[in-house]
Amino acid sequence: EVHLVESGGGLVQPGGSLRLSCAASGFTFSSYWMNWVRQAPGKGLEWVAYIKDDGSEKYYADSVKGRFIISRDNAKNSLYLQMNSLRVEDMAVYYCARTSALDYWGQGTLVTVSS
Amino acid sequence: SYELTQPPSVSVSPGQTARITCSGDALPKKYAYWYQQKSGQAPVLVIYEDSKRPSGIPERFSGSSSGTMATLTISGAQVEDEGDYYCHSSGNWVFGGGTKLTVL
Repeated sequence: EVHLVESGGGLVQPGGSLRLSCAASGFTFSSYWMNWVRQAPGKGLEWVAYIKDDGSEKYYADSVKGRFIISRDNAKNSLYLQMNSLRVEDMAVYYCARTSALDYWGQGTLVTVSS
Repeated sequence: SYELTQPPSVSVSPGQTARITCSGDALPKKYAYWYQQKSGQAPVLVIYEDSKRPSGIPERFSGSSSGTMATLTISGAQVEDEGDYYCHSSGNWVFGGGTKLTVL
Protein backbone atom coordinates (compact mmCIF):
# COMPACT_ATOMS: atom_id res chain seq x y z
CA GLU A 1 0.00 0.00 0.00
CA VAL A 2 1.31 3.44 -0.97
CA HIS A 3 2.08 5.60 2.03
CA LEU A 4 3.38 9.18 2.16
CA VAL A 5 4.11 10.83 5.50
CA GLU A 6 5.15 14.46 5.75
CA SER A 7 7.00 15.96 8.70
CA GLY A 8 8.96 19.04 9.65
CA GLY A 9 6.23 21.63 9.80
CA GLY A 10 5.93 24.10 12.64
CA LEU A 11 6.03 27.73 13.68
CA VAL A 12 8.70 29.94 12.15
CA GLN A 13 9.22 33.69 12.07
CA PRO A 14 9.13 35.64 8.79
CA GLY A 15 12.51 35.37 7.12
CA GLY A 16 13.22 32.05 8.76
CA SER A 17 13.85 28.62 7.29
CA LEU A 18 12.27 25.21 7.57
CA ARG A 19 12.92 21.83 5.97
CA LEU A 20 10.03 19.52 5.23
CA SER A 21 10.40 15.80 4.68
CA CYS A 22 8.18 13.21 3.05
CA ALA A 23 8.78 9.55 3.78
CA ALA A 24 7.51 7.22 1.07
CA SER A 25 6.72 3.52 1.27
CA GLY A 26 4.76 0.86 -0.60
CA PHE A 27 6.13 1.65 -4.05
CA THR A 28 9.42 2.03 -5.93
CA PHE A 29 10.12 5.61 -4.95
CA SER A 30 13.00 6.05 -7.39
CA SER A 31 10.67 5.46 -10.35
CA TYR A 32 8.27 8.32 -9.71
CA TRP A 33 8.21 12.08 -10.08
CA MET A 34 7.23 13.71 -6.81
CA ASN A 35 5.53 16.96 -5.92
CA TRP A 36 4.93 19.43 -3.14
CA VAL A 37 1.50 21.06 -3.11
CA ARG A 38 0.30 23.52 -0.50
CA GLN A 39 -3.01 24.86 0.76
CA ALA A 40 -3.28 28.10 2.68
CA PRO A 41 -5.97 28.23 5.38
CA GLY A 42 -9.39 28.34 3.75
CA LYS A 43 -7.90 28.50 0.26
CA GLY A 44 -7.44 26.22 -2.72
CA LEU A 45 -4.57 24.01 -3.79
CA GLU A 46 -1.32 25.49 -5.11
CA TRP A 47 1.45 23.54 -6.82
CA VAL A 48 4.78 24.39 -5.22
CA ALA A 49 7.43 22.22 -6.84
CA TYR A 50 8.10 18.93 -8.54
CA ILE A 51 11.16 16.81 -9.10
CA LYS A 52 11.88 14.13 -11.66
CA ASP A 53 12.42 10.53 -10.55
CA ASP A 54 16.21 10.80 -10.72
CA GLY A 55 16.33 14.38 -9.46
CA SER A 56 17.61 15.74 -12.76
CA GLU A 57 14.70 18.11 -13.37
CA LYS A 58 12.96 20.41 -10.96
CA TYR A 59 10.18 22.96 -11.30
CA TYR A 60 9.12 25.73 -8.96
CA ALA A 61 6.07 27.93 -8.83
CA ASP A 62 6.94 31.58 -9.35
CA SER A 63 5.78 32.32 -5.82
CA VAL A 64 8.61 30.22 -4.30
CA LYS A 65 11.31 30.33 -6.98
CA GLY A 66 14.68 31.33 -5.54
CA ARG A 67 13.53 30.64 -1.95
CA PHE A 68 12.52 26.97 -1.90
CA ILE A 69 14.55 23.94 -2.97
CA ILE A 70 13.08 20.54 -3.71
CA SER A 71 15.31 17.49 -3.42
CA ARG A 72 15.12 13.77 -2.92
CA ASP A 73 17.15 10.87 -1.60
CA ASN A 74 16.11 7.73 -3.45
CA ALA A 75 18.23 5.56 -1.17
CA LYS A 76 16.14 6.76 1.78
CA ASN A 77 12.83 6.89 -0.10
CA SER A 78 12.50 10.49 0.95
CA LEU A 79 11.46 13.80 -0.58
CA TYR A 80 12.45 17.16 0.88
CA LEU A 81 11.52 20.82 0.64
CA GLN A 82 13.98 23.36 1.98
CA MET A 83 12.10 26.59 2.57
CA ASN A 84 14.12 29.77 3.08
CA SER A 85 13.16 33.43 3.49
CA LEU A 86 9.70 32.39 4.60
CA ARG A 87 6.87 34.88 4.28
CA VAL A 88 3.51 35.12 5.97
CA GLU A 89 1.91 34.12 2.67
CA ASP A 90 3.81 30.79 2.74
CA MET A 91 1.72 29.70 5.70
CA ALA A 92 -0.14 26.58 4.60
CA VAL A 93 -0.53 22.84 4.89
CA TYR A 94 2.15 21.28 2.69
CA TYR A 95 1.41 17.98 1.01
CA CYS A 96 3.71 15.66 -0.88
CA ALA A 97 2.06 13.84 -3.77
CA ARG A 98 3.13 11.21 -6.27
CA THR A 99 3.52 11.66 -10.05
CA SER A 100 2.08 14.29 -12.34
CA ALA A 101 -1.33 12.71 -11.76
CA LEU A 102 -1.01 13.33 -8.00
CA ASP A 103 -2.41 9.86 -7.49
CA TYR A 104 -1.42 9.57 -3.83
CA TRP A 105 -1.11 12.30 -1.20
CA GLY A 106 0.27 12.45 2.30
CA GLN A 107 -1.76 13.81 5.20
CA GLY A 108 0.10 17.12 5.11
CA THR A 109 2.21 19.13 7.53
CA LEU A 110 1.30 22.62 8.73
CA VAL A 111 3.73 25.49 8.32
CA THR A 112 2.89 28.61 10.32
CA VAL A 113 4.80 31.80 9.58
CA SER A 114 4.25 34.41 12.24
CA SER A 115 6.17 36.75 14.48
CA SER B 1 -0.41 32.46 -16.94
CA TYR B 2 -2.57 29.42 -17.57
CA GLU B 3 -5.87 29.18 -15.71
CA LEU B 4 -8.53 26.59 -15.01
CA THR B 5 -11.97 27.90 -14.12
CA GLN B 6 -14.48 26.11 -11.92
CA PRO B 7 -17.82 27.25 -10.48
CA PRO B 8 -17.44 28.15 -6.78
CA SER B 9 -20.31 25.96 -5.69
CA VAL B 10 -22.74 23.28 -6.82
CA SER B 11 -25.68 22.07 -4.76
CA VAL B 12 -27.87 19.01 -5.33
CA SER B 13 -30.28 16.86 -3.37
CA PRO B 14 -29.29 13.29 -2.46
CA GLY B 15 -29.80 10.96 -5.41
CA GLN B 16 -29.54 13.72 -7.99
CA THR B 17 -26.76 14.10 -10.52
CA ALA B 18 -24.08 16.64 -9.75
CA ARG B 19 -21.98 18.09 -12.54
CA ILE B 20 -18.85 20.13 -11.91
CA THR B 21 -17.12 21.82 -14.81
CA CYS B 22 -13.57 22.92 -15.42
CA SER B 23 -12.67 25.14 -18.34
CA GLY B 24 -9.24 25.91 -19.73
CA ASP B 25 -7.67 26.61 -23.09
CA ALA B 26 -5.25 23.68 -22.87
CA LEU B 27 -7.90 21.06 -22.16
CA PRO B 28 -8.35 20.10 -25.84
CA LYS B 29 -4.72 18.91 -25.79
CA LYS B 30 -4.24 17.88 -22.17
CA TYR B 31 -5.86 15.36 -19.86
CA ALA B 32 -8.01 16.52 -16.97
CA TYR B 33 -7.69 15.18 -13.42
CA TRP B 34 -10.16 15.57 -10.55
CA TYR B 35 -9.57 15.53 -6.80
CA GLN B 36 -12.02 15.32 -3.93
CA GLN B 37 -11.14 16.95 -0.63
CA LYS B 38 -13.34 16.43 2.38
CA SER B 39 -13.13 18.77 5.33
CA GLY B 40 -9.85 18.41 7.21
CA GLN B 41 -8.52 15.69 4.91
CA ALA B 42 -5.97 15.42 2.13
CA PRO B 43 -7.18 15.46 -1.48
CA VAL B 44 -7.99 12.16 -3.17
CA LEU B 45 -7.76 11.47 -6.90
CA VAL B 46 -11.20 10.50 -8.21
CA ILE B 47 -10.75 10.80 -12.01
CA TYR B 48 -7.57 10.71 -14.10
CA GLU B 49 -6.90 11.13 -17.82
CA ASP B 50 -10.32 12.73 -18.39
CA SER B 51 -12.49 9.70 -17.63
CA LYS B 52 -10.61 6.93 -15.84
CA ARG B 53 -11.53 5.99 -12.30
CA PRO B 54 -8.89 4.80 -9.81
CA SER B 55 -9.55 1.61 -7.96
CA GLY B 56 -11.72 2.13 -4.91
CA ILE B 57 -13.57 5.13 -6.34
CA PRO B 58 -17.32 4.46 -6.61
CA GLU B 59 -18.81 3.99 -10.06
CA ARG B 60 -21.09 6.98 -9.58
CA PHE B 61 -18.03 9.17 -10.28
CA SER B 62 -17.34 9.72 -13.97
CA GLY B 63 -15.49 12.22 -16.09
CA SER B 64 -15.61 13.57 -19.61
CA SER B 65 -13.89 16.21 -21.64
CA SER B 66 -14.86 18.08 -24.78
CA GLY B 67 -13.10 21.05 -26.25
CA THR B 68 -12.04 23.48 -23.56
CA MET B 69 -14.24 21.97 -20.85
CA ALA B 70 -13.90 18.93 -18.63
CA THR B 71 -16.78 17.70 -16.52
CA LEU B 72 -16.92 15.63 -13.35
CA THR B 73 -20.28 13.90 -12.97
CA ILE B 74 -21.52 12.28 -9.78
CA SER B 75 -24.57 10.20 -10.63
CA GLY B 76 -26.82 9.72 -7.65
CA ALA B 77 -24.83 11.98 -5.35
CA GLN B 78 -24.72 10.98 -1.71
CA VAL B 79 -24.25 13.04 1.44
CA GLU B 80 -20.77 11.60 1.85
CA ASP B 81 -19.78 13.11 -1.50
CA GLU B 82 -19.87 16.60 0.00
CA GLY B 83 -16.58 18.42 -0.15
CA ASP B 84 -14.36 20.49 -2.37
CA TYR B 85 -13.45 19.31 -5.85
CA TYR B 86 -10.42 20.51 -7.78
CA CYS B 87 -9.37 19.99 -11.38
CA HIS B 88 -5.98 20.24 -13.01
CA SER B 89 -4.65 19.43 -16.46
CA SER B 90 -1.55 17.42 -17.21
CA GLY B 91 1.60 19.41 -17.82
CA ASN B 92 0.13 22.63 -16.44
CA TRP B 93 1.13 23.22 -12.89
CA VAL B 94 -2.10 24.86 -11.79
CA PHE B 95 -5.32 23.81 -10.16
CA GLY B 96 -8.79 25.10 -10.72
CA GLY B 97 -10.08 27.30 -7.93
CA GLY B 98 -12.18 24.50 -6.51
CA THR B 99 -15.90 23.79 -6.34
CA LYS B 100 -17.75 23.24 -3.08
CA LEU B 101 -20.30 20.46 -3.54
CA THR B 102 -23.24 20.46 -1.15
CA VAL B 103 -25.57 17.47 -1.04
CA LEU B 104 -28.69 18.13 1.03
